[in-house]
Amino acid sequence: AQSVAQPEDQVNVAEGNPLTVKCTYSVSGNPYLFWYVQYPNRGLQFLLKYITGDNLVKGSYGFEAEFNKSQTSFHLKKPSALVSDSALYFCAVSTTGSNYQLIWGAGTKLIIKP
Amino acid sequence: EAGVAQSPRYKIIEKRQSVAFWCNPISGHATLYWYQQILGQGPKLLIQFQNNGVVDDSQLPKDRFSAERLKGVDSTLKIQPAKLEDSAVYLCASSKPAGLSTDTQYFGPGTRLTVL
Repeated sequence: AQSVAQPEDQVNVAEGNPLTVKCTYSVSGNPYLFWYVQYPNRGLQFLLKYITGDNLVKGSYGFEAEFNKSQTSFHLKKPSALVSDSALYFCAVSTTGSNYQLIWGAGTKLIIKP
Repeated sequence: EAGVAQSPRYKIIEKRQSVAFWCNPISGHATLYWYQQILGQGPKLLIQFQNNGVVDDSQLPKDRFSAERLKGVDSTLKIQPAKLEDSAVYLCASSKPAGLSTDTQYFGPGTRLTVL
């Protein structure tokens, strides 16, 4: 079965420190990986995606993610966290095996403390 | 560029009542999706349209949910009759015409439904 795992329900980081939100996947076929962010009472906002090429992808608001094929991971990172980064983060993958539909992780709540 | 529009933003109804949600996708986006997001979970796809045709509605509870996309632009999702377990946020998303796995889906703000 095709799936996406976000192993941490919540991640706590001090403002100014680097942050990592983890995502691993299990799919058949080539994975196309996405990160979205959801602020309270808002819809999902697209952050970045990996399709092919350079394993390091840069996205909105200073976020980046690294695709690691051998570890089937696509962790989201930011060098210096801001309090305004506090939100719910979702990892998703699409592939030929999913009929190109997005398979979603359960989400990780990121809390940045001043 | 205007984003995906949804209305209403909030709706409270009694169980067994009916409710309808409206979505206007980004101009030129041929693919439209309706998702259900229960608190603490990732979105669950209910139905996917390509223009005004249904691509996938395998997870749509067809005994109570219906959706249409007349003229391949706006879409309406209806629940009749509503159950307590339908309390969730209903998200609409759209993507470019290419319809490929690499297309980015852009989401509206969602409609928060509470069924009492």
